[in-house]
Amino acid sequence: QQQVKQSPQSLIVQKGGISIINCAYENTAFDYFPWYQQFPGKGPALLIAIRPDVSEKKEGRFTISFNKSAKQFSLHIMDSQPGDSATYFCAASIGTSGSRLTFGEGTQLTVNP
Amino acid sequence: DAGVTQSPTHLIKTRGQHVTLRCSPISGHKSVSWYQQVLGQGPQFIFQYYEKEERGRGNFPDRFSARQFPNYSSELNVNALLLGDSALYLCASSLWGGPLHFGNGTRLTVT
Repeated sequence: QQQVKQSPQSLIVQKGGISIINCAYENTAFDYFPWYQQFPGKGPALLIAIRPDVSEKKEGRFTISFNKSAKQFSLHIMDSQPGDSATYFCAASIGTSGSRLTFGEGTQLTVNP
Repeated sequence: DAGVTQSPTHLIKTRGQHVTLRCSPISGHKSVSWYQQVLGQGPQFIFQYYEKEERGRGNFPDRFSARQFPNYSSELNVNALLLGDSALYLCASSLWGGPLHFGNGTRLTVT
């Protein structure tokens, strides 16, 4: 059962543009929503995370927007750079942030110079 | 500080064989989790261990087992390997309630 659906599967953006990746979840018990960045040959690295008591969280060029009623959350990458080219995964879990994560299927982002 | 270390980095096995993958967590982290990442998909949760006890198990067959040692390192064992077990196996460590820190994984190929 796919509990976290991610789109688009792939995304091409020009340098300086905004990259937007969307996720939708089904389980209303989820209360921790992280985004991970994965480069080829590496493990996923935590980028930014949000809990449902806030609608937006910003860290540098990365922003999470959260819509609890729609059960959706999204990652915005401002001023996208070629070094941002990677695969991005949204995830969700119940309770502690270290507990079992349910991941989306990933978005392969390419930022052209 | 050293991150999560996994060994080996690559492994090739034959169907029906057994495999053991190893993970050393970040110093001070007592929780270790294992995930399977099939090519082109997101990681799937297999196990979580904390203080040497199993705290969670994903939807994987009994061929998959794991354990955590007193130094908090962990092993993932897979018996009777199938072609479909070919994947990147990721280990992650954390403080209890803290965010997961992943290693770079073990790439397992079953032929």
